[in-house]
Amino acid sequence: GAVVSQHPSWVICKSGTSVKIECRSLDFQATTMFWYRQFPKQSLMLMATSNEGSKATYEQGVEKDKFLINHASLTLSTLTVTSAHPEDSSFYICSATVTGGPQETQYFGPGTRLLVL
Amino acid sequence: GDSVTQMEGPVTLSEEAFLTINCTYTATGYPSLFWYVQYPGEGLQLLLKATKADDKGSNKGFEATYRKETTSFHLEKGSVQVSDSAVYFCALGSNTNAGKSTFGDGTTLTVKP
Repeated sequence: GAVVSQHPSWVICKSGTSVKIECRSLDFQATTMFWYRQFPKQSLMLMATSNEGSKATYEQGVEKDKFLINHASLTLSTLTVTSAHPEDSSFYICSATVTGGPQETQYFGPGTRLLVL
Repeated sequence: GDSVTQMEGPVTLSEEAFLTINCTYTATGYPSLFWYVQYPGEGLQLLLKATKADDKGSNKGFEATYRKETTSFHLEKGSVQVSDSAVYFCALGSNTNAGKSTFGDGTTLTVKP
């Protein structure tokens, strides 16, 4: 149980375009999901906390207008990278906690690799 | 603030060797502790966890014991396999917000046949 999926698994886009990444909890409800960014050979950096039915909470230094987050249902959160530039190329990982479950335990998606040309 | 210090890698072992990856932490209160594994090109998978002092988490032959007195959560496996080659992250959980977990820098393990 507690499976999280991400789509797409990888995407290549041109500079200036927008890219949407989906994060789904497949077998549980997730009131809260998290978006991370991971640079090569580095640890995860939390970008934002996505809350179903309300605005996301962004970490310091993360541009909310650049990285749009929508948590439309208890099983889906989306991250849209707007007007992507080469410096946005990275590995984006989402995670979720089980609604009503232990809130310290998060389940990670497989990640989405974004390459902006 | 909270912090996690992991043994620096990379670590290279021969198949069937004994593995230890050290992890120590600094935290207020009594956080949960986690080990995650990341295979090449993939997201993180929860390997094991411990939620209170003296708890032992175990999974797939890996073990780690929550040692409050030494603020440690070292990962061990008695006999590693080539398929264990991955990056291992120690993490300190927040009891109120999982996203506020603190991750170590990761330790790359390579197991050679």
